[in-house]
Amino acid sequence: DTAVSQTPKYLVTQMGNDKSIKCEQNLGHDTMYWYKQDSKKFLKIMFSYNNKELIINETVPNRFSPKSPDKAHLNLHINSLELGDSAVYFCASSQSNGNEQFFGPGTRLTVL
Amino acid sequence: AQSVSQHNHHVILSEAASLELGCNYSYGGTVNLFWYVQYPGQHLQLLLKYFSGDPLVKGIKGFEAEFIKSKFSFNLRKPSVQWSDTAEYFCAVKNSGGSNYKLTFGKGTLLTVNP
Repeated sequence: DTAVSQTPKYLVTQMGNDKSIKCEQNLGHDTMYWYKQDSKKFLKIMFSYNNKELIINETVPNRFSPKSPDKAHLNLHINSLELGDSAVYFCASSQSNGNEQFFGPGTRLTVL
Repeated sequence: AQSVSQHNHHVILSEAASLELGCNYSYGGTVNLFWYVQYPGQHLQLLLKYFSGDPLVKGIKGFEAEFIKSKFSFNLRKPSVQWSDTAEYFCAVKNSGGSNYKLTFGKGTLLTVNP
């Protein structure tokens, strides 16, 4: 009955590789988000999609590309991974008003 | 641009002590305010939220927060903490109007409760 799920939970990879993180929500929400939480626990929004359209795109390197095949899914693809990409990435979803975002369990990405 | 300040980086308390975590935001318009909690190794969960009405908001697990508009503050309180309250606490703000979906978080306060 997981509301917002992410896979994988842990991802360890080498610098320069390309990887993807998947997110799915079964709450019927229209809006989904990706956040990055750094080693100091600081949470910062990266992207947001509403009805499969990109509505928030913070200053994120273009190596990061979100893809929303439908309203229930928002995947994050990262090209040419760098050491500084190591973080926990959280997916979230909400109704279209953006209130009360529900978070997934996070994906801990470690780039070696 | 909106921003959120949480003044306490790490708070250490003994069980049964009272808790108050500070949160101030900067934004000129009407806001929605939130407190989220992140238990060790887990995802963020909503503790409570303020949209409008009574500025004293009660949340889950005995937490409450008071919105003081004149001070741009939304401090989190609990009269008596438990060991299980050990977690990271995040204050967040969102523009309540328009189509602004962006939730801006503070840097978090780590609460350690000693038994």
